[in-house]
Amino acid sequence: QSVLTQPPSASGTPGQRVTISCSGSSSNIGSNYVYWFQQLPGTAPKLLIYRDNQRPSGVPDRFSGSKSGTSASLAISGLRSEDEADYYCAAWDDSLSGVVFGGGTKLTVL
Amino acid sequence: EVQLVESGGVVVQPGGSLTLSCAASGFTFDDYAMHWVRQAPGKGLEWVSLITWDGGSTYYADSVKGRFTTSRDNSKNSLYLQMNSLRPEDTALYHCAKGEVPAAPWFEYWGQGTLVTVSS
Repeated sequence: QSVLTQPPSASGTPGQRVTISCSGSSSNIGSNYVYWFQQLPGTAPKLLIYRDNQRPSGVPDRFSGSKSGTSASLAISGLRSEDEADYYCAAWDDSLSGVVFGGGTKLTVL
Repeated sequence: EVQLVESGGVVVQPGGSLTLSCAASGFTFDDYAMHWVRQAPGKGLEWVSLITWDGGSTYYADSVKGRFTTSRDNSKNSLYLQMNSLRPEDTALYHCAKGEVPAAPWFEYWGQGTLVTVSS
């Protein structure tokens, strides 16, 4: 059971906009930044969003992050087949004094 | 170019011990905190540990606390994870990750991982 809660799966068709939610608590999302990672099969995770809504260099602006209270969301617009991957949210947890991850969401592009 | 290369993963029996290494290059190693993150086969990401830039502070997931020890040798640009009392549930691909800031999963750089299998 992960500390951060994500839906196990999500799907969309090419060109659509999809969102993936991440729910936490006051000790993690509610008081610290949220980070999002994309993991393609057989590869190391890739940082997509840092500090709630910032994109590292090279990440397309189709990817965006937002946060409200103890929940966060990753939005992907103009969905492409290459976006099919696992997506994870993460944050620092003040109570646990450690990093917590969501269980991951498998995105399928139909 | 930032590079992180893990090594040391093997098959080990339950109750055994193992030390993983992570060789870093392409950045000033002793300016950054470092983390270990693992992923069991077919499962999600699980944070394991954090060590601050000078090794002065370490933090661990409850699942490994008291069994795993993270250390670093800044003169060798290397990070280590000593794993004791290994359990089958420790079977995973272990990644090291560069922490852009200490207490946050700001992991822009990851190694490809080294596989640890705990089995009799």
